[in-house]
Formats: sequence, structure tokens, C-alpha cells
Amino acid sequence: DQQVKQNSPSLSVQEGRISILNCDYTNSMFDYFLWYKKYPAEGPTFLISISSIKDKNEDGRFTVFLNKSAKHLSLHIVPSQPGDSAVYFCAARGNNAGNMLTFGGGTRLMVKP
Amino acid sequence: DAEITQSPRHKITETGRQVTLACHQTWNHNNMFWYRQDLGHGLRLIHYSYGVHDTNKGEVSDGYSVSRSNTEDLPLTLESAASSQTSVYFCASRLAKNTEAFFGQGTRLTVV
Repeated sequence: DQQVKQNSPSLSVQEGRISILNCDYTNSMFDYFLWYKKYPAEGPTFLISISSIKDKNEDGRFTVFLNKSAKHLSLHIVPSQPGDSAVYFCAARGNNAGNMLTFGGGTRLMVKP
Repeated sequence: DAEITQSPRHKITETGRQVTLACHQTWNHNNMFWYRQDLGHGLRLIHYSYGVHDTNKGEVSDGYSVSRSNTEDLPLTLESAASSQTSVYFCASRLAKNTEAFFGQGTRLTVV
């Protein structure tokens, strides 16, 4: 059973508009959440993260929101640019000895010029 | 610059063959990981290591093994390759348990 889910496999947005990528999790022991971005033929690169003690973290055009009661987080990209077109993975880290990352299935974002 | 590299980038092998994928990092990170990426499954953890001579099984470890003889390298071995192991494999490393992980560029493995 997937503990981290990204229910939208793809998303298409017009350049300049907002992109909203969603992620749901089931394990209440997760205490840290990350977003990774992946271009074709490259490895994932870290984008932004949020601790479970916060509900928002902002870094330039990227903002991550966390709703602990709903076990839901989202990544907002404003304004979206064609270079943002990539696969975005949500990941969660457990508050256990291993601190392992559990990844969602990814959402492919396409930003149209 | 410090980095993490994987080799080969592409590999085609036959069913039943033993295959080893290399991962080398120059950050002196203690933690190293192997993931596979499959459509609809995202990144799934195969094996991980917290330091030299330490190895642990991940979510999808069957048919794979790793060894950690030094800090820099974590080779992944497929003992007897199966078609179900056709995938893209990513190695990652991180300094400590509460830091972000950095990924290699991936190895596309095809088992025919």
C-alpha cells in the first residue's frame, strides 16, 4: 500500500499561471516532506522541503503547503515557466531510526509557452 | 566539485546474467541508497547503507545485493537478472539522516 500518493500523473499549465501539484500521505509518523524535480535522463534534484511543525515554506517561485490534519501537501509554482516542465516527486521522511524517504509516484508538469 | 556518478548509464543484459551497477560519490557521505524508478511507482528503495560494512534491505530488495567496502562506493548487484528488473536505477547519498539526499544521473537497465 502506497504511503505517499500523487494522484495526478500529469498536469498541463499555461506559462505565467500557477501550477499546483498535490501529494497525500497516510503515515502520521512522517515528520518531514520534500519535493524533488526530475528532468529526462537526469537524476532527481532537491527543490524544497517542509517540516511537520510548519504549514508553509516559501523559496522564490516555489511554495509548499502542509495540512497535517488532512495529511496533504501541495507545491505551488508561481509564475510557471516552460523550464519548470519536469516530473515532480513528493517524498516523506519518517521520524524513526532510519529516517528513510518514501516517494510518491510523481506528477509530470508541462508548462506551455 | 563533489559529485555522485553512476556507471554505466545504459546496460542491456540477458536473463540470468549477473549484473553490477556502480555508484561513486565524492562528498564523503555516510548514507547511500539505491532506488528503482518504474512508471506508476515512483522511486522505490532497494538497499541502503549508513556506513562502511553496513547494508540494509529496502522495500524491493529481492534479487539485489549491495556491499559497502569504503565510504565512496555502493555497487548494486543483480545476482540473476530477470525481465522484471528492467528499470531505471538511481543511486543517492546524503551526509546524515536529517539532510537532503543527492541523486546520480541514473542507469537504464534492460533485461532481455
